[in-house]
Parts: sequence; C-alpha cells; structure tokens
Amino acid sequence: QVHLIQSGAEVKKPGASVKVSCKVSGYSLTELSMHWVRQAPGKGLEWLGGFDPEEGETLFAQKFQDRVTMTEDTSTHTASMELSRLRSEDTAVYFCASLSTVATGAAFDFWGQGTLVTVSS
Amino acid sequence: DIQMTQSPSSLSASVGDRVTITCQASQDIFTLLNWYQQKPGKAPQLLIYDASNLEKGVPSRFSGSGSGTDFTFTITSLQPEDIATYYCQLYDNLPPGATFGGGTKVEI
Repeated sequence: QVHLIQSGAEVKKPGASVKVSCKVSGYSLTELSMHWVRQAPGKGLEWLGGFDPEEGETLFAQKFQDRVTMTEDTSTHTASMELSRLRSEDTAVYFCASLSTVATGAAFDFWGQGTLVTVSS
Repeated sequence: DIQMTQSPSSLSASVGDRVTITCQASQDIFTLLNWYQQKPGKAPQLLIYDASNLEKGVPSRFSGSGSGTDFTFTITSLQPEDIATYYCQLYDNLPPGATFGGGTKVEI
C-alpha cells in the first residue's frame, strides 16, 4: 500500500516561493508517477503537473509552467513541488497524487493528505 | 484543450435514493474518464476508472458508464456516508495532463 505524507501548512508573502514535500512509503518513489493538484478554498481541483510515463518527462499545466518546479529525491523517498512568485490566488490546498496506468487510461490512485499554502501580506 | 462539463453542480437527495451525475467532454475521449469522491477536509479518492471499472474496495452501489463524450456516475442507493463532492477527470496526452470537471456536491 502506497502512503504519501505531505509537509505542513505554510504562510507566505506575495512574491515569495513555497516548497511542498511528499514523502513516499510502502513503494519505491522511482516506480511512481507523481503529480500535483491544488484546490483553492471552496473551489474545484486543478492539475499543476507531474511525470507522464508515456512521454517519459515531467509535464506542466500551461498556466504554471513558468512558475513551478517538481523534483524527486530518491535518497529520502520524497517528491517536492516549488511554486514561485506567489500571489493571493495561489492560496490553496496542494495535493501530491500518484498516477497509475489503469485499463486503457490513467488515474490518480493514491493521494497525500494535502498541504495548505496561504499567501497573504 | 478538452473541456469537461459536469452537472449538476449540487443536488439534494434522501437516503436510499438513486443519484445520477453526468460529465460531458468537449470531444471524444473514448473511455478515459475517472470519478473521484472528496469528503470535506480530505483528499479525493478514486472510485471509478476507465469510465466503468470499480476501484478495489469501493462499494458496489457506485457505478459508471459511458464512452465518447457522455458519461454517467450513479449511486444506486444513497447512504449517509456518501455525502461528498464528486469529480469526473480525464488524463490524456493531447495535450498531456489532467482535466477535472467542476464537481457535484451531494447533500442529504
């Protein structure tokens, strides 16, 4: 069973950067395709990016591609997502989620508990 | 980009009712459609993958159907623990990435 444990809540000022981590247990990080999804207060789910197993590279939603970095540290079994140049609209809960190939497609079958990032002056 | 239109945005039903949620894609996505349940303050949970396949451990009162552009998610007999928001989701390669529907909040 895969377990994804995320880092704690963050409060940041506009213009700053935030790094959220996601520690994997029960499975090898190198065997997972890790993605990041966020949810603004009272809103729906929004995909930021992640590793696409077919493309063999990390892909980003166009909206975030100039502000987001995703990394993995296999020595600590931890995936991380850094979002820069924060603005108030980035206030959200950020989730890590593993993408698995299912039948003919792909789905997010394991999720972290979420990390609240608050951007406020 | 493919758009996913989910309806209704919210619904109220009674315990034991049959509940139906629809998701429409802006172009043919075959069966590349997943459904998630999200309870307040929790992460989403995968219920249905590839339009109609029940994820392991998910109760059989949940089901999905459809292909192409029109999809349906059904709870055959609503239970109190089913109070949640439900999302449809596509993961595709053209362009690569995940797209979520707007969500349906189910209340009793």
